[in-house]
Amino acid sequence: GENVEQHPSTLSVQEGDSAVIKCTYSDSASNYFPWYKQELGKRPQLIIDIRSNVGEKKDQRIAVTLNKTAKHFSLHITETQPEDSAVYFCAASTSGTYKYIFGTGTRLKVLA
Amino acid sequence: DGGITQSPKYLFRKEGQNVTLSCEQNLNHDAMYWYRQDPGQGLRLIYYSQIVNDFQKGDIAEGYSVSREKKESFPLTVTSAQKNPTAFYLCASGTSGSEQYFGPGTRLTVT
Repeated sequence: GENVEQHPSTLSVQEGDSAVIKCTYSDSASNYFPWYKQELGKRPQLIIDIRSNVGEKKDQRIAVTLNKTAKHFSLHITETQPEDSAVYFCAASTSGTYKYIFGTGTRLKVLA
Repeated sequence: DGGITQSPKYLFRKEGQNVTLSCEQNLNHDAMYWYRQDPGQGLRLIYYSQIVNDFQKGDIAEGYSVSREKKESFPLTVTSAQKNPTAFYLCASGTSGSEQYFGPGTRLTVT
């Protein structure tokens, strides 16, 4: 069946360093790729998304890249800060459907 | 916060009792979703609905039931057949191929 693999499951970085989280999807029809951040005990919230007609998107310290051929997309966080510590989920979806496939999550710890 | 609400925030039940979790949205979204999240784990889809009076099973539907009588509402019933119901339950809504908006969640404890 369709799935999204996400790596790594945990990631520790020093404050100020960069963090990269990678996802691979299986359904070639997927064309919408959001990233969610979930702080402890809270709801997941969208931090950035990308559609398949774009290769890269950036919003301040956060960027997402998409390689459609390889079916990979990645989240890049630069100049990490302690408040970036959270669980990050990637997902894949397809226009015209309502099915979302989430990755298994990455717990990011930013060490001060 | 995105116009999607869940109630109650915390819920305690005795084993063997059915319990219904509420989810309401005023975003005019067609689709609504229920996810279960266990400590330190990801989001597992229980049920989703694309339109009123229609819903589909997700990956872990056994022991759960839903209804979609109104576009705004998608209640989830955790039945006594669910073997391990203690978890954090998240409701979400969205449109086709776009962002999902999550509710604040209900933390269910069954003893």
